[in-house]
Amino acid sequence: KQEVTQIPAALSVPEGENLVLNCSFTDSAIYNLQWFRQDPGKGLTSLLLIQSSQREQTSGRLNASLDKSSGRSTLYIAASQPGDSATYLCAVRLGATNKLIFGTGTLLAVQP
Amino acid sequence: EAGVAQSPRYKIIEKRQSVAFWCNPISGHATLYWYQQILGQGPKLLIQFQNNGVVDDSQLPKDRFSAERLKGVDSTLKIQPAKLEDSAVYLCASSLAGGKDTQYFGPGTRLTVL
Repeated sequence: KQEVTQIPAALSVPEGENLVLNCSFTDSAIYNLQWFRQDPGKGLTSLLLIQSSQREQTSGRLNASLDKSSGRSTLYIAASQPGDSATYLCAVRLGATNKLIFGTGTLLAVQP
Repeated sequence: EAGVAQSPRYKIIEKRQSVAFWCNPISGHATLYWYQQILGQGPKLLIQFQNNGVVDDSQLPKDRFSAERLKGVDSTLKIQPAKLEDSAVYLCASSLAGGKDTQYFGPGTRLTVL
């Protein structure tokens, strides 16, 4: 059974810092991995999607890496801003069903 | 393009009452998903529809939860009777088809069971 874990559960940093969020999964047989952002009272917004054959994806200040063999992914946020404050979720997609298995999330607070 | 719509946004009920949630997916999206997100946890898939057929309902507590997607567009999720542990945010998502298509999420319905 696939399990997805995120560390840390919560993180508070001062504005301008670079930070790394971690995601681990138990079964390496994934189709792809996706990072989402969730703001209070809102749905999930997709940030980055990494196919199982890829090592990393970048979008602006965000960089996500994937090491499928070790069951790990990281989300790197450069020069953090207060507007980055949200919960960040990673999810692995299992094969053809498009089923997403989510991690528990990391609650990020960026202090001005 | 309009996103995934859900209503109501908030609902408070007492245990043993029944409740229903509504979802309208993005126009043209064949696949619809209902997720349950308990506070402090990631979303968990309850049921997945492809058009009006069920693809996966393995984690749906069928003794109290039911869902339908008549005509392959809108969907409703019902809980009857509700328990305290059903307090959660219920998220609806849709995708163009199945497979590797991106899922787009609605704002969710926050349910509180007293």
